[in-house]
Amino acid sequence: SQQGEEDPQALSIQEGENATMNCSYKTSINNLQWYRQNSGRGLVHLILIRSNEREKHSGRLRVTLDTSKKSSSLLITASRAADTASYFCATDRQYTGANSKLTFGKGITLSVRP
Amino acid sequence: EAGVAQSPRYKIIEKRQSVAFWCNPISGHATLYWYQQILGQGPKLLIQFQNNGVVDDSQLPKDRFSAERLKGVDSTLKIQPAKLEDSAVYLCASSLEYREYEQYFGPGTRLTVT
Repeated sequence: SQQGEEDPQALSIQEGENATMNCSYKTSINNLQWYRQNSGRGLVHLILIRSNEREKHSGRLRVTLDTSKKSSSLLITASRAADTASYFCATDRQYTGANSKLTFGKGITLSVRP
Repeated sequence: EAGVAQSPRYKIIEKRQSVAFWCNPISGHATLYWYQQILGQGPKLLIQFQNNGVVDDSQLPKDRFSAERLKGVDSTLKIQPAKLEDSAVYLCASSLEYREYEQYFGPGTRLTVT
């Protein structure tokens, strides 16, 4: 079963606007990550936030994590047409003593209109 | 640094036929993953190898899917016989040992079963 659930399922904005995407999960995690997938391509890692962190920035990306609510948000500021893609949150949680497991949500489709 | 290589990129087969996918991970990456991504969903882990051994194959449909990683480098994923519901993108990823949170993905193989 998929651990993360993103919302909204689809988002359409104008170039220059900010895009906010949310992710909720069910069990305790080591960290949470966001990935981007362009049509027909593989997944590209965007940002990772550890369970003891509350906020992280990378360029135009800002991610927050609220472990008490088991939720995360990804903010893309000043969006560009090139940001059009599917975005996935993935939770990393302990699977065995030494190994962890990455579980992906269903994804959010972001369309940025020029 | 070369990324994760996969072949073929596209494959169309009829149901009940067999198919095989190949993956070459990033050099030095001990852990290799195969994911299935059905259209409109997030990637689902099928099998995780650490060197030659299997860490997790709990979601691999073993009656028809098989995977091997001889010599702890390249890997092949086979489906025999294929069903219509196997139509998906099959993603290969790799990471350093015990670094499941830092996976690098290949471009994927898009399988269509008719």
